[in-house]
Amino acid sequence: QLHLQESGPGLVKPSETLSLTCTVSGGSINSNDYYWGWIRQPPGRRLEWIGNIFYSGTSTYYNPSLKGRVTMSADTSKNQFSLKLTSVTAADTAVYYCARRSTGSSSDYWGQGTLVTVSS
Amino acid sequence: DIQMTQSPSSLSASVGDRVTITCRASQDIRNDLGWYQQKPGKAPKRLIYAASTLQSGVPSRFSGSGSGTEFTLTINSLQPEDFADYYCLQHNTYPHTFGQGTKVET
Repeated sequence: QLHLQESGPGLVKPSETLSLTCTVSGGSINSNDYYWGWIRQPPGRRLEWIGNIFYSGTSTYYNPSLKGRVTMSADTSKNQFSLKLTSVTAADTAVYYCARRSTGSSSDYWGQGTLVTVSS
Repeated sequence: DIQMTQSPSSLSASVGDRVTITCRASQDIRNDLGWYQQKPGKAPKRLIYAASTLQSGVPSRFSGSGSGTEFTLTINSLQPEDFADYYCLQHNTYPHTFGQGTKVET
């Protein structure tokens, strides 16, 4: 059974960089069949798709609403992929989820989510 | 971006009711749509993919229909464990976008 687990600081100061890692177990990220992505949900608001990455890093897509502040990477040796979001503000406070999706489909496996609060 | 307009934003229902939730896309997304259920403090769980295909392990009282710009999630004979939030997600075009959600409550 595939399992995804987010990890990273729960509190980030304004203007700093949010960094999260998703560790995948029960399967390999090294597959041509899947994209690995991030989705967030601010408190009381709808889900927002952040972006996704192919295991080789050759194909990434980021939501333009994040104005170039996002970078994703994948480490096949650790079976992990990561998210960096720079210059954070309070508006970036959210539960962040990592997820897997098959090419041409929607996300099927999700991590449990991790709350990141932006505050001084 | 493709806008996903989901309705209603909330609805009140009872056990045994039939519930219908609608998502409209601002442009044709073929059948590139999934439906998710989310309970408080939990990750979303996919119920339907490709607009009408039931995810393995999901009860058959859930069904999805539609293509193009209009989609429907139906829950037949609502059960106590079905009170939750529901979201649609289009993955036809980047950036993928979610509907605003529907809260199904008693």
